[in-house]
Amino acid sequence: GENVEQHPSTLSVQEGDSAVIKCTYSDSASNYFPWYKQELGKRPQLIIDIRSNVGEKKDQRIAVTLNKTAKHFSLHITETQPEDSAVYFCAASPSGGSNYKLTFGKGTLLTVNP
Amino acid sequence: EAQVTQNPRYLITVTGKKLTVTCSQNMNHEYMSWYRQDPGLGLRQIYYSMNVEVTDKGDVPEGYKVSRKEKRNFPLILESPSPNQTSLYFCASSWAGSDRVYEQYFGPGTRLTVT
Repeated sequence: GENVEQHPSTLSVQEGDSAVIKCTYSDSASNYFPWYKQELGKRPQLIIDIRSNVGEKKDQRIAVTLNKTAKHFSLHITETQPEDSAVYFCAASPSGGSNYKLTFGKGTLLTVNP
Repeated sequence: EAQVTQNPRYLITVTGKKLTVTCSQNMNHEYMSWYRQDPGLGLRQIYYSMNVEVTDKGDVPEGYKVSRKEKRNFPLILESPSPNQTSLYFCASSWAGSDRVYEQYFGPGTRLTVT
């Protein structure tokens, strides 16, 4: 089955700096890669996703890049703010045929220091 | 208001006592799923359902059952709970096309403790 590795497990940055979180996946059939943000005590919420037919997607301060050949994808947050502090999860899914499993990474705790 | 609801939100039970955690969504979503969240392990998918009467195993299905008799409901059943099923459980739902799923909307979570 799919295996998603996420690094780093913790990341501390100064407000205004950039943050990068990286994930690798094992199943070449995976074609959908969402990123979820979970604030303390809250439910996960989607912040951005990318499908395998594009290499990059941006939404204001957040961007995701995908390298299908190397089987890795990354989340980039620019101009970080204290409210970006949360746990971030990447995930991968084959999303097709008879398999719609969604496999998550173990998460990255991002702390943005004022 | 579009939402996913779960009940109960908190539950303490004893080993072997059957329990059901309900999940309901009002967005007419085809796809529904259950996850458990444990420290250091992230979110792990237990079961998912692409539509009524269609369910499939996720990565950690052992010890759990599900059913999808109606589109809006997707209960999680623990026939004989054990302490290793102590966890935070999330239900989620999303639209699903013929070849893809979309953004998952998560419920508020159910904190289960099995003693």
